[in-house]
Amino acid sequence: NAGVMQNPRHLVRRRGQEARLRCSPVKGHSHVYWYRQLPEEGLKFMVYLQKENIIDESGMPKERFSAEFPKEGPSILRIQQVVRGDSAAYFCASSPTGGENYGYTFGSGTRLTVV
Amino acid sequence: AQSVTQLGSHVSVSEGALVLLRCNYSSSVPPYLFWYVQYPNQGLQLLLKYTTGATLVKGINGFEAEFKKSETSFHLTKPSAHMSDAAEHFCAVSKAAGNKLTFGGGTRVLVKP
Repeated sequence: NAGVMQNPRHLVRRRGQEARLRCSPVKGHSHVYWYRQLPEEGLKFMVYLQKENIIDESGMPKERFSAEFPKEGPSILRIQQVVRGDSAAYFCASSPTGGENYGYTFGSGTRLTVV
Repeated sequence: AQSVTQLGSHVSVSEGALVLLRCNYSSSVPPYLFWYVQYPNQGLQLLLKYTTGATLVKGINGFEAEFKKSETSFHLTKPSAHMSDAAEHFCAVSKAAGNKLTFGGGTRVLVKP
């Protein structure tokens, strides 16, 4: 199956620790998006990346959060010094380059719990 | 800025009855519109999408949606509900291909036997 792979599926961190969430896009997809879903809410856009470039980070909190999509390897969403309010499901999606028949493929998410 | 409003956070239907989920959007440009379904503790699965062309779009699992520009709506329907339709459904909009998605708050479908 060539879907979007996210790991880990579940992540527990103590307050103040760092969380690293990984996303491997569909093979051949060059666009990666990260979304956050708080309990009982819809998904909120965080950041849009292409290989080695951040295209749109308008949804990223100004502090503690960063994302990258290196030339080789998965995209990483990094949360430093986690707080309880960071507890959420984080979803990654990927899409191919352009075209009217494009579509987003979502991963199964990483559920972060901060204790 | 774009926004999506889904009327009704919960919809309860009987098995075999019509499912109607409402979605209204605001967008400064012709939108790309999507409906996704999410089962508990899983990711999002695309039901259908509208980009250009025919305004009545057919998707998977018997769902369809109609883009009505004059009403800025993209309501999702299914003639006959099935127990497997019990899930969270999200409407989303983007400005263009490859652009970020803006989601509505979601509608949880409950199917009664």
